[in-house]
Amino acid sequence: DVKVTQSSRYLVKRTGEKVFLECVQDMDHENMFWYRQDPGLGLRLIYFSYDVKMKEKGDIPEGYSVSREKKERFSLILESASTNQTSMYLCASDRGHTEAFFGQGTRLTVV
Amino acid sequence: QQQVKQSPQSLIVQKGGISIINCAYENTAFDYFPWYQQFPGKGPALLIAIRPDVSEKKEGRFTISFNKSAKQFSLHIMDSQPGDSATYFCAASSLAQKLVFGQGTRLTINP
Repeated sequence: DVKVTQSSRYLVKRTGEKVFLECVQDMDHENMFWYRQDPGLGLRLIYFSYDVKMKEKGDIPEGYSVSREKKERFSLILESASTNQTSMYLCASDRGHTEAFFGQGTRLTVV
Repeated sequence: QQQVKQSPQSLIVQKGGISIINCAYENTAFDYFPWYQQFPGKGPALLIAIRPDVSEKKEGRFTISFNKSAKQFSLHIMDSQPGDSATYFCAASSLAQKLVFGQGTRLTINP
Protein backbone atom coordinates (compact mmCIF):
# COMPACT_ATOMS: atom_id res chain seq x y z
CA ASP A 1 0.00 0.00 0.00
CA VAL A 2 1.53 3.29 -1.12
CA LYS A 3 2.10 5.82 1.56
CA VAL A 4 2.81 9.45 2.31
CA THR A 5 3.47 9.83 6.01
CA GLN A 6 3.47 13.09 7.92
CA SER A 7 5.29 13.03 11.21
CA SER A 8 2.61 14.71 13.34
CA ARG A 9 -1.19 14.76 13.23
CA TYR A 10 -1.52 17.67 15.65
CA LEU A 11 0.93 20.35 16.73
CA VAL A 12 0.60 23.35 19.03
CA LYS A 13 3.38 25.91 18.86
CA ARG A 14 4.00 29.36 20.24
CA THR A 15 4.31 32.51 18.19
CA GLY A 16 7.90 33.02 17.07
CA GLU A 17 8.91 29.37 17.35
CA LYS A 18 10.68 27.61 14.48
CA VAL A 19 8.49 24.73 13.35
CA PHE A 20 9.43 21.68 11.31
CA LEU A 21 6.85 19.55 9.50
CA GLU A 22 8.22 16.31 8.10
CA CYS A 23 6.92 14.20 5.24
CA VAL A 24 8.14 10.85 3.90
CA GLN A 25 6.92 8.95 0.82
CA ASP A 26 7.69 5.36 -0.11
CA MET A 27 6.77 5.47 -3.80
CA ASP A 28 10.05 6.77 -5.24
CA HIS A 29 8.21 9.83 -6.59
CA GLU A 30 10.21 12.67 -8.05
CA ASN A 31 7.76 15.41 -7.07
CA MET A 32 6.74 16.38 -3.57
CA PHE A 33 4.44 19.18 -2.45
CA TRP A 34 3.34 21.10 0.60
CA TYR A 35 -0.19 22.55 0.68
CA ARG A 36 -2.16 24.34 3.31
CA GLN A 37 -5.89 23.79 3.59
CA ASP A 38 -8.21 26.47 4.93
CA PRO A 39 -12.03 26.45 4.82
CA GLY A 40 -13.38 28.12 1.71
CA LEU A 41 -9.92 28.47 0.17
CA GLY A 42 -9.26 24.90 -0.88
CA LEU A 43 -5.71 23.62 -1.10
CA ARG A 44 -3.07 26.23 -1.73
CA LEU A 45 0.44 25.28 -2.81
CA ILE A 46 3.23 26.54 -0.57
CA TYR A 47 6.31 24.90 -2.12
CA PHE A 48 7.14 21.96 -4.29
CA SER A 49 10.24 20.00 -5.17
CA TYR A 50 10.91 18.05 -8.36
CA ASP A 51 14.24 16.58 -7.32
CA VAL A 52 16.60 16.29 -4.38
CA LYS A 53 17.82 19.72 -3.26
CA MET A 54 15.53 21.37 -5.83
CA LYS A 55 12.61 23.53 -4.78
CA GLU A 56 10.20 26.01 -6.28
CA LYS A 57 7.83 28.47 -4.70
CA GLY A 58 4.14 27.84 -4.97
CA ASP A 59 1.35 30.35 -4.58
CA ILE A 60 1.87 31.27 -0.91
CA PRO A 61 5.55 30.76 0.05
CA GLU A 62 5.90 33.77 2.36
CA GLY A 63 6.91 32.77 5.88
CA TYR A 64 7.86 29.24 4.83
CA SER A 65 10.92 27.40 3.58
CA VAL A 66 11.54 23.78 2.61
CA SER A 67 14.28 21.21 2.58
CA ARG A 68 14.73 18.09 0.48
CA GLU A 69 17.98 16.32 1.27
CA LYS A 70 16.74 12.85 0.28
CA LYS A 71 14.30 11.83 -2.43
CA GLU A 72 11.79 10.36 -0.02
CA ARG A 73 11.74 13.21 2.51
CA PHE A 74 10.40 16.75 2.18
CA SER A 75 10.32 19.12 5.13
CA LEU A 76 8.35 22.32 5.58
CA ILE A 77 9.85 24.94 7.89
CA LEU A 78 8.07 27.84 9.49
CA GLU A 79 10.95 30.15 10.36
CA SER A 80 9.01 32.15 12.95
CA ALA A 81 5.51 30.84 13.47
CA SER A 82 2.66 33.32 13.49
CA THR A 83 -1.01 32.92 14.35
CA ASN A 84 -2.04 33.34 10.71
CA GLN A 85 -0.15 30.13 9.96
CA THR A 86 -2.62 28.15 12.01
CA SER A 87 -3.95 25.70 9.43
CA MET A 88 -4.05 22.15 8.12
CA TYR A 89 -0.86 21.27 6.26
CA LEU A 90 -0.89 18.52 3.65
CA CYS A 91 2.08 16.85 2.02
CA ALA A 92 1.72 15.10 -1.34
CA SER A 93 3.84 13.34 -3.92
CA ASP A 94 3.46 12.29 -7.55
CA ARG A 95 5.41 10.99 -10.50
CA GLY A 96 4.52 14.02 -12.60
CA HIS A 97 1.21 15.07 -14.17
CA THR A 98 -0.63 12.08 -12.73
CA GLU A 99 -2.34 11.06 -9.51
CA ALA A 100 -1.05 12.83 -6.43
CA PHE A 101 -0.96 10.94 -3.13
CA PHE A 102 -1.55 12.83 0.08
CA GLY A 103 -0.56 12.35 3.66
CA GLN A 104 -3.11 12.53 6.47
CA GLY A 105 -2.30 16.12 7.26
CA THR A 106 -0.89 18.03 10.21
CA ARG A 107 -3.20 20.37 12.04
CA LEU A 108 -0.99 23.17 13.33
CA THR A 109 -2.17 25.65 15.91
CA VAL A 110 0.01 28.67 16.67
CA VAL A 111 -0.84 30.39 19.95
CA GLN B 1 -6.44 34.79 -9.06
CA GLN B 2 -8.42 31.60 -8.63
CA GLN B 3 -7.54 29.41 -11.60
CA VAL B 4 -10.16 26.80 -10.76
CA LYS B 5 -13.52 27.92 -9.37
CA GLN B 6 -15.71 25.36 -7.65
CA SER B 7 -19.35 25.52 -6.62
CA PRO B 8 -21.30 25.11 -4.48
CA GLN B 9 -19.32 25.50 -1.28
CA SER B 10 -21.69 23.13 0.52
CA LEU B 11 -24.39 20.75 -0.66
CA ILE B 12 -27.02 18.68 1.08
CA VAL B 13 -28.64 15.81 -0.83
CA GLN B 14 -31.11 13.17 0.21
CA LYS B 15 -30.05 9.54 0.13
CA GLY B 16 -30.62 8.15 -3.35
CA GLY B 17 -30.46 11.55 -5.00
CA ILE B 18 -27.95 12.95 -7.48
CA SER B 19 -25.13 15.16 -6.19
CA ILE B 20 -23.65 17.62 -8.69
CA ILE B 21 -20.55 19.72 -8.14
CA ASN B 22 -19.28 22.13 -10.77
CA CYS B 23 -15.88 23.56 -11.65
CA ALA B 24 -14.68 26.13 -14.15
CA TYR B 25 -11.10 26.82 -15.18
CA GLU B 26 -9.23 29.57 -16.96
CA ASN B 27 -6.05 28.06 -18.35
CA THR B 28 -6.68 26.37 -21.69
CA ALA B 29 -3.38 24.50 -21.33
CA PHE B 30 -4.83 22.36 -18.51
CA ASP B 31 -5.13 18.78 -19.71
CA TYR B 32 -5.69 16.72 -16.57
CA PHE B 33 -8.78 17.16 -14.42
CA PRO B 34 -9.00 15.02 -11.28
CA TRP B 35 -11.52 14.98 -8.48
CA TYR B 36 -10.36 14.27 -4.94
CA GLN B 37 -12.45 13.05 -2.02
CA GLN B 38 -11.52 13.90 1.55
CA PHE B 39 -13.02 12.39 4.70
CA PRO B 40 -12.60 14.10 8.08
CA GLY B 41 -9.16 13.48 9.53
CA LYS B 42 -7.79 12.13 6.25
CA GLY B 43 -5.87 13.54 3.36
CA PRO B 44 -7.56 13.89 -0.04
CA ALA B 45 -7.58 10.78 -2.23
CA LEU B 46 -8.10 10.55 -5.97
CA LEU B 47 -11.69 9.65 -6.83
CA ILE B 48 -11.81 9.94 -10.61
CA ALA B 49 -9.97 11.88 -13.31
CA ILE B 50 -10.47 12.86 -16.94
CA ARG B 51 -8.34 14.14 -19.79
CA PRO B 52 -9.90 16.45 -22.41
CA ASP B 53 -9.98 13.94 -25.24
CA VAL B 54 -13.27 12.60 -23.86
CA SER B 55 -16.42 14.41 -22.72
CA GLU B 56 -17.45 11.96 -20.03
CA LYS B 57 -15.92 9.34 -17.77
CA LYS B 58 -17.87 7.03 -15.52
CA GLU B 59 -16.66 4.86 -12.66
CA GLY B 60 -19.46 3.17 -10.78
CA ARG B 61 -21.77 5.84 -9.37
CA PHE B 62 -19.31 8.65 -10.12
CA THR B 63 -19.24 10.48 -13.47
CA ILE B 64 -17.17 13.40 -14.70
CA SER B 65 -18.73 15.50 -17.45
CA PHE B 66 -16.29 17.70 -19.35
CA ASN B 67 -17.10 20.67 -21.60
CA LYS B 68 -13.92 21.88 -23.25
CA SER B 69 -15.47 24.82 -25.09
CA ALA B 70 -17.06 26.16 -21.90
CA LYS B 71 -13.97 25.33 -19.82
CA GLN B 72 -16.15 23.56 -17.29
CA PHE B 73 -16.28 20.11 -15.73
CA SER B 74 -18.54 18.58 -13.16
CA LEU B 75 -18.83 15.59 -10.85
CA HIS B 76 -22.09 13.69 -10.67
CA ILE B 77 -22.72 11.19 -7.89
CA MET B 78 -25.67 8.97 -8.70
CA ASP B 79 -27.73 7.24 -5.99
CA SER B 80 -25.89 9.27 -3.33
CA GLN B 81 -25.23 7.41 -0.07
CA PRO B 82 -24.44 8.63 3.46
CA GLY B 83 -20.94 7.18 3.01
CA ASP B 84 -20.39 9.71 0.22
CA SER B 85 -20.53 12.53 2.76
CA ALA B 86 -17.12 14.17 2.43
CA THR B 87 -15.37 17.20 1.03
CA TYR B 88 -14.75 17.09 -2.71
CA PHE B 89 -12.08 19.03 -4.57
CA CYS B 90 -11.75 19.50 -8.28
CA ALA B 91 -8.32 20.22 -9.68
CA ALA B 92 -6.52 20.86 -12.94
CA SER B 93 -2.96 20.62 -14.19
CA SER B 94 -0.78 20.67 -17.26
CA LEU B 95 2.80 19.67 -17.97
CA ALA B 96 3.89 23.21 -17.10
CA GLN B 97 1.43 23.90 -14.28
CA LYS B 98 1.24 21.85 -11.12
CA LEU B 99 -2.12 20.80 -9.73
CA VAL B 100 -4.40 23.73 -8.93
CA PHE B 101 -7.36 23.00 -6.68
CA GLY B 102 -10.84 24.41 -6.40
CA GLN B 103 -12.16 25.74 -3.11
CA GLY B 104 -13.83 22.48 -2.11
CA THR B 105 -17.44 21.36 -1.61
CA ARG B 106 -18.67 19.89 1.63
CA LEU B 107 -21.24 17.26 0.66
CA THR B 108 -23.73 15.90 3.18
CA ILE B 109 -26.02 13.02 2.28
CA ASN B 110 -29.04 12.81 4.56
CA PRO B 111 -30.28 9.29 5.31
